[in-house]
Amino acid sequence: GAGVSQSPRYKVAKRGQDVALRCDPISGHVSLFWYQQALGQGPEFLTYFQNEAQLDKSGLPSDRFFAERPEGSVSTLKIQRTQQEDSAVYLCASSPRTGLSYNEQYFGPGTRLTVT
Amino acid sequence: GDSVTQMEGPVTLSEEAFLTINCTYTATGYPSLFWYVQYPGEGLQLLLKATKADDKGSNKGFEATYRKETTSFHLEKGSVQVSDSAVYFCALNRDDKIIFGKGTRLHILP
Repeated sequence: GAGVSQSPRYKVAKRGQDVALRCDPISGHVSLFWYQQALGQGPEFLTYFQNEAQLDKSGLPSDRFFAERPEGSVSTLKIQRTQQEDSAVYLCASSPRTGLSYNEQYFGPGTRLTVT
Repeated sequence: GDSVTQMEGPVTLSEEAFLTINCTYTATGYPSLFWYVQYPGEGLQLLLKATKADDKGSNKGFEATYRKETTSFHLEKGSVQVSDSAVYFCALNRDDKIIFGKGTRLHILP
């Protein structure tokens, strides 16, 4: 079956522009996660949805970052007034259930954002 | 807070060599532990996992044992192949978030 897909795969933005990154999770997956991966680093948690509810946004680095999942399926991560430090790969993951620590998260290919 | 520390790379080995990538963690309680792998040009994928102390996760010839006493989850493989060249991430699950180490790049020479 289809895995997690993300679009666009690459995005170049001028400093100060707004960007929107899309994630299509695996069909039927309840949980959806966003991570940020800087060059040479491990992914870092940004935010988490269970269906349409955003349960944890503690990892969002500033109020310029906003995520939504209005119908409990597709999610969008929006970054306003992009800065150079926002350059990173943004990973989306989905999981079939929640509340179980051994749940596997299935990752998409990521969107590489470069802010010039 | 919770964290994962893994050996820095890159690690370069010849084909058929023995591999160990060290990983230790700091966490309250007993989180689930994972190794994820990122092959060139591909997304992160789960390699193996262990959910409680003394569990051994295994997949594709790789193994790791959840050691509570030493808070470790070292990755091992007896005979590596060129196709194992990738970046390996040790990770733990805390309240549905995955906390990753910085990753270890592995190069296998033919």
